[in-house]
Amino acid sequence: EPEVTQTPSHQVTQMGQEVILRCVPISNHLYFYWYRQILGQKVEFLVSFYNNEISEKSEIFDDQFSVERPDGSNFTLKIRSTKLEDSAMYFCASRVDSPLHFGNGTRLTVT
Amino acid sequence: DQQVKQNSPSLSVQEGRISILNCDYTNSMFDYFLWYKKYPAEGPTFLISISSIKDKNEDGRFTVFLNKSAKHLSLHIVPSQPGDSAVYFCAASGSGSARQLTFGSGTQLTVLP
Repeated sequence: EPEVTQTPSHQVTQMGQEVILRCVPISNHLYFYWYRQILGQKVEFLVSFYNNEISEKSEIFDDQFSVERPDGSNFTLKIRSTKLEDSAMYFCASRVDSPLHFGNGTRLTVT
Repeated sequence: DQQVKQNSPSLSVQEGRISILNCDYTNSMFDYFLWYKKYPAEGPTFLISISSIKDKNEDGRFTVFLNKSAKHLSLHIVPSQPGDSAVYFCAASGSGSARQLTFGSGTQLTVLP
């Protein structure tokens, strides 16, 4: 069965550094998402992407965050200058209709 | 802003018995509801969904019930198996084009052999 794949599985970075989290959505899917889950908290919506542009974003998705689909297969989340509070599991998801299919996540640790 | 609430952080059930997981929502614009299961170190895996035009949807051992007037849904697992032990998330979406999901905080289900 096709899967959403995310790399790396774990990323450690220093505060203030830029990170790029990578995702390969399921190939025929059209809608792409990033969610995050801070340890012990809910899974939270960050951003949705359709037709090469952001369709919705949450308050969490501020100017430090950006998304890109550079080559028609990868979907990336960039955090420009990481903060300690950005430490979380980041989940990529995609769909063609419903339901949403999630990847296994990237654990981001900011030290 | 707790638009989707799962008030039970944990539930333990004996193997073979019924597991009932509950979820409440406050946003009347939600029209599609889903249950996801999550194992440690994995992403959420879709389990079952229900549209607001229905009050029940069944798939094998899993049944989801929706009570729109009470803004309440529940997931029934019968019979429960040890492999069902996981965190179960309720999620809801509205009619906007992005259809992003709003998640509950999850319920850790433990099925005891």
